[in-house]
Amino acid sequence: GAVVSQHPSRVICKSGTSVKIECRSLDFQATTMFWYRQFPKQSLMLMATSNEGSKATYEQGVEKDKFLINHASLTLSTLTVTSAHPEDSSFYICSARWGGYGYTFGSGTRLTVV
Amino acid sequence: KNEVEQSPQNLTAQEGEFITINCSYSVGISALHWLQQHPGGGIVSLFMLSSGKKKHGRLIATINIQEKHSSLHITASHPRDSAVYICTPEEGADGLTFGKGTHLIIQP
Repeated sequence: GAVVSQHPSRVICKSGTSVKIECRSLDFQATTMFWYRQFPKQSLMLMATSNEGSKATYEQGVEKDKFLINHASLTLSTLTVTSAHPEDSSFYICSARWGGYGYTFGSGTRLTVV
Repeated sequence: KNEVEQSPQNLTAQEGEFITINCSYSVGISALHWLQQHPGGGIVSLFMLSSGKKKHGRLIATINIQEKHSSLHITASHPRDSAVYICTPEEGADGLTFGKGTHLIIQP
């Protein structure tokens, strides 16, 4: 099956620093990667869609200068939370479409900004 | 915009019970996804359905495209089935839209 490996699974960082989250497709090529965020007791919300070799598309209300997405290859997409603040503390998860079989998800990253 | 309603929102059952989660939507779709989110946050894609019925282990999913309704069944439920189950319609090349899902707790 299609596997997306996401790292790190947990990260604690200081306010004002940047954090990079990586998602790698291990056994397939992910031309498109979706990035979601989930606050406690809420639904996952789509933040942005990254396409290999082009600029990401951000959902309304998501700051593109704060959440930098890079999809430089068919197997790697990264999300960098820049100048993180406590309100950015959340669960971030990536997902890729796998052929006609549906979506596969990374294991998620729990970010805590202190 | 597709309005998706899932029921029940919360369900607590005893181990071994047969579980049914229902999903209805307002706009015709090409396919529907059932997902499972574990307590730790991880998400597993259970089924992608465009018609009829699919079975995987103790999980069965059905869809009626004309009635815009789908159901997820769990047979011989087990505490490890405790999770949030989410149905979401296929929306083309866009990412999935998640509702709050059904919070299922299976007690031993």
